[in-house]
Amino acid sequence: GAVVSQHPSWVICKSGTSVKIECRSLDFQATTMFWYRQFPKQSLMLMATSNEGSKATYEQGVEKDKFLINHASLTLSTLTVTSAHPEDSSFYICSARDMDRGAEAFFGQGTRLTVV
Amino acid sequence: KQEVTQIPAALSVPEGENLVLNCSFTDSAIYNLQWFRQDPGKGLTSLLLIQSSQREQTSGRLNASLDKSSGRSTLYIAASQPGDSATYLCAVPPGGYQKVTFGTGTKLQVIP
Repeated sequence: GAVVSQHPSWVICKSGTSVKIECRSLDFQATTMFWYRQFPKQSLMLMATSNEGSKATYEQGVEKDKFLINHASLTLSTLTVTSAHPEDSSFYICSARDMDRGAEAFFGQGTRLTVV
Repeated sequence: KQEVTQIPAALSVPEGENLVLNCSFTDSAIYNLQWFRQDPGKGLTSLLLIQSSQREQTSGRLNASLDKSSGRSTLYIAASQPGDSATYLCAVPPGGYQKVTFGTGTKLQVIP
């Protein structure tokens, strides 16, 4: 089946630094990708919708200047957590839907971010 | 706005039991419905996808049903095993390139 690859799978960074997470669709083109965040014992919540060649759409309450999204190609979207703080520690997952395969949603492996 | 609810929130069963997980959604204008499992600290593993025109999908010991008109889906797990212990999420994508709405999840523990 279709594959979405997400890197890194885990990262530890110091407060104040920035972290970039990559999300690639390996065998299909994704004009739209989605970024989700999951805090402990909670369900996945959408952060933003990444659109190829245009600005991302952020959900209410998500700071667009803190979570920078770039979708420069049909197979790559990146999420950069800028000036990370401990409260940004979370599990981040990207997703893309393959409209040629019944609109099935495929997910990256997730990135566990720990800010110390 | 689509809302997806899963009942129960947590479930503990002895090994070998058959069990049913429930998923309810408020907007029946769905494209398909997917069931995932998530192991602690890990990403999502797709289990089954049911297109909106389908009623049922089966994969091994798993069987998922969909009743779009009533806004319900069930995931049936036969002969549960300790390896089935995980959190199970249902997810509902609408038409087009829209985001997926996730259910609240059911945390399953199968006791050996």
